[in-house]
Amino acid sequence: EIVLTQSPGTLSLSPGERATLSCRASQSVSSSYLAWYQQKPGQAPRLLIYGASNRATGIPDRFSGSGSGTDFTLTIRRLEPEDFAVYYCQQYGNSPLYLFGQGTKLEI
Amino acid sequence: EVQLVESGGGLVQPGGSLRLSCTASGFTFSRYWMSWVRQAPGKGLEWVANINEDGSEKYFVDSVRGRFTISRDNVRTSLSLRMNSLRGEDTAVYFCARHLGPKFRAPLDYWGQGTLVSVSS
Repeated sequence: EIVLTQSPGTLSLSPGERATLSCRASQSVSSSYLAWYQQKPGQAPRLLIYGASNRATGIPDRFSGSGSGTDFTLTIRRLEPEDFAVYYCQQYGNSPLYLFGQGTKLEI
Repeated sequence: EVQLVESGGGLVQPGGSLRLSCTASGFTFSRYWMSWVRQAPGKGLEWVANINEDGSEKYFVDSVRGRFTISRDNVRTSLSLRMNSLRGEDTAVYFCARHLGPKFRAPLDYWGQGTLVSVSS
C-alpha cells in the first residue's frame, strides 16, 4: 500500500515569501491522481490542485503544483495572509483509495 | 451554487448507531460520485466511503467495512452514511464531498461543512 509523507510538518514563513511543500509517495503515483487541498481551522478542505498540476476552479495562479512518480510539490508564490493554513496532498488512483498525507501546517 | 449540508451528528455510546445525511443542491446530484471523509479531532483527513451515481457501486475504508453503509436518494438529492457498532476511534467530523466529474478516481471539489460524531460513554 502507498504511504504519503508530507514535509515539513510545519513551515514558518512571512507574507510575500515563497512556500514549497513536499509530498513523497512510497510507490509511484500517476500524476493524474495527485491532488492538494487547503484547510483552515473550523473549515472544510478546499481543492487547490488536481492531476498534480491543474489548478481547481477559482484558485489563484500563485498556487502551482508539480512533480511525478514519487515526488510532488505544491508551491505558493508570494504568500498572502489568507494562505496560512494546513495543506494536504491526496492520491486517488491506487490502493488505498483516496489516501491523504498527514498535512503540512503553514504558519506565520 | 453548489451546496452540501450535513446533518445527523451527535453523541453516541460505543456500540451504538447513527445515521448521517448530506443534502445537495446547485448541481445535478445524480451525475456525480459522492464520498464521505472524516477528520478526528486535531488529526488529518481520512476517506471513509464513496458511492457511484446510481448507488450500484460502493467502497469503504477497511476500518469501517461491514459496520458502515453508504446510500443515496437521487430524487431527494441526499447522501447518507449509516454507522453501526460505533467505536471511540470513529469520533470525528464527517464531511460529505463531491467528486470532480463523473469519475470514481477523482479529487473532491466541493465539501460540506461537516457534522461532528462523538462516540463516548
